[in-house]
Amino acid sequence: EILMTQSPATLSVSPGERATLSCRASQSVSSNLAWYQQKPGQAPRVLIYGASTRATGIPARFSGSGSGTEFTLTISSLQSEDFAVYYCQQYNNWPALTFGGGTKVEIK
Amino acid sequence: QVQLQESGPGLVKPSETLTLTCGVSGYSISSGYFWGWIRQPPGKGLEWIGTVYHPDNTYYNPSLKSRVTMSVDTSRNQFSLQLTSVTAADTAVYYCARRATTNNWFDPWGQGTLVTVSS
Repeated sequence: EILMTQSPATLSVSPGERATLSCRASQSVSSNLAWYQQKPGQAPRVLIYGASTRATGIPARFSGSGSGTEFTLTISSLQSEDFAVYYCQQYNNWPALTFGGGTKVEIK
Repeated sequence: QVQLQESGPGLVKPSETLTLTCGVSGYSISSGYFWGWIRQPPGKGLEWIGTVYHPDNTYYNPSLKSRVTMSVDTSRNQFSLQLTSVTAADTAVYYCARRATTNNWFDPWGQGTLVTVSS
């Protein structure tokens, strides 16, 4: 099983500031990585797939980068609606899909 | 626009079988796509349970494989999850979701349903 480790567990950011979230895989997942956003009481929604491709309707302030074992999700200028928990998911190792533990982005 | 909706009992007794159904609207399951189940224990992260492709192609999380069965019912345009011999550790919000066209990420998701395992 590929272990996905996200850091930090909690990120305190002021509105308008940049947020940088990290996701590390225990072995290479190539570019087979997705990022999801989950707000309280809601299902996750996909933001990024293929490590860097924004899903349909996702604002340009969200960007993903990385390959192999190190990945980053950047939110360039945090809006109030962006405060949420973010998860990464690898889909390189099939059929053993795994998610990271999540990063909570909270208001500073 | 595809929409998914989970349904099933909110309370299951230990050692019994958890059965959930995901109703799909806006798309005919018989037309294709893979469909998945993911769960989230209260206050914790996400765990992939399995994926099914009509009519009988199933793929399960190795850690749950011995207890999981997934199936598709095209006549009702829904797919289902059975998890046997449940314990308190199976208490979670269970989500159904559609797998992406060409790869194993998920979009969209259902709203989720909380299943509590307790006597």
